[in-house]
Amino acid sequence: ETGVTQTPRHLVMGMTNKKSLKCEQHLGHNAMYWYKQSAKKPLELMFVYNFKEQTENNSVPSRFSPECPNSSHLFLHLHTLQPEDSALYLCASSQTTGASETQYFGPGTRLLVL
Amino acid sequence: GQNIDQPTEMTATEGAIVQINCTYQTSGFNGLFWYQQHAGEAPTFLSYNVLDGLEEKGRFSSFLSRSKGYSYLLLKELQMKDSASYLCAVMDSNYQLIWGAGTKLIIKP
Repeated sequence: ETGVTQTPRHLVMGMTNKKSLKCEQHLGHNAMYWYKQSAKKPLELMFVYNFKEQTENNSVPSRFSPECPNSSHLFLHLHTLQPEDSALYLCASSQTTGASETQYFGPGTRLLVL
Repeated sequence: GQNIDQPTEMTATEGAIVQINCTYQTSGFNGLFWYQQHAGEAPTFLSYNVLDGLEEKGRFSSFLSRSKGYSYLLLKELQMKDSASYLCAVMDSNYQLIWGAGTKLIIKP
């Protein structure tokens, strides 16, 4: 399944580093999402973009900065992260953000902040 | 607040049947999703229920009771490859998915 790809798959960074996560979807969808998945916790929605416009920001700290240049690409820019930000970051896409829309996920980026 | 509850872990035997329950309390309801997630991999879509009743898809079935705020995922003829986490998610009135923490299913020979 290569509908949604994410790079890098693994990332180790120090608290003073700046890095970016990339997501690309090949499904012709118009909505894209960033989620955070921590061990034994529910997925946390971070950001939603619909037709390149940000529609949700669920109280995410400013050290996470999303960018959506077009409907196929989504970035998450990271700076001055904290160790508690270590988690799996999942990207997803759906046709739109309406009812019954199934979200399709990428494999995630496993992030470790030292 | 919004809440999705499902068991943390379940164990079953190869060839058997297992039922994974999910109860929910959400602001509005626009359907319930089940996803499968193998360790280190992406969650993959299994089923969607918006009306009461049972939806069957091969070895997997999903049931919904909106009045009880309850769903289950039924897996038949279990195979070793079914060892994974199963995630329950409800779409709320804002069309956002509210997720449970997932049920880790362990299949033993």
